Amino acid sequence: GQSLEQPSEVTAVEGAIVQINCTYQTSGFYGLSWYQQHDGGAPTFLSYNGLDGLEETGRFSSFLSRSDSYGYLLLQELQMKDSASYFCAVRTNAGKSTFGDGTTLTVKP
Amino acid sequence: DADVTQTPRNRITKTGKRIMLECSQTKGHDRMYWYRQDPGLGLRLIYYSFDVKDINKGEISDGYSVSRQAQAKFSLSLESAIPNQTALYFCATTGGLGNEQFFGPGTRLTVL
Repeated sequence: GQSLEQPSEVTAVEGAIVQINCTYQTSGFYGLSWYQQHDGGAPTFLSYNGLDGLEETGRFSSFLSRSDSYGYLLLQELQMKDSASYFCAVRTNAGKSTFGDGTTLTVKP
Repeated sequence: DADVTQTPRNRITKTGKRIMLECSQTKGHDRMYWYRQDPGLGLRLIYYSFDVKDINKGEISDGYSVSRQAQAKFSLSLESAIPNQTALYFCATTGGLGNEQFFGPGTRLTVL
């Protein structure tokens, strides 16, 4: 089976940097994705790592270490609109994904 | 126009009723998924389909069935709804390398 762990809540101030960690246990690991969800809306894709290392997309970066079964999402220059839930998701060789329970990020002024 | 649409957006029904949730996509993707989300939790996979003739159970398929009527349409049915199926339901599609899933707006289902 698959299992993922990520912190349930993170709080940071506007302009700061925050890191959301994700550890996973899975068979047939293929890659790690990150999604953002605002208040019950549709999750939207942020980033994907298939290989070890850092992927950068604007203010968001994501990192993967396959040997450590660990990844993180880094959000820089936080803005109020970044307040949302963030999910890591493991994709397997079978082509399906398992999602973590999400991290609620609160950005304060 | 949205690439992935779901109908209805909200539904309230009673225990024992049959319910169908519909999903359509204009992205031309082969792979489609149904998830449910409960408050404070992540998305759990109910069923997925890699093409019209390929349908697979996810981690929580009991009490649900699906139909892939066409490449663009994937429907989820609750044969006899029960209160613990009250949840937010999302349809998603993926194409190409499959690294990014595109989600519909969700259907909020309440079973009384």
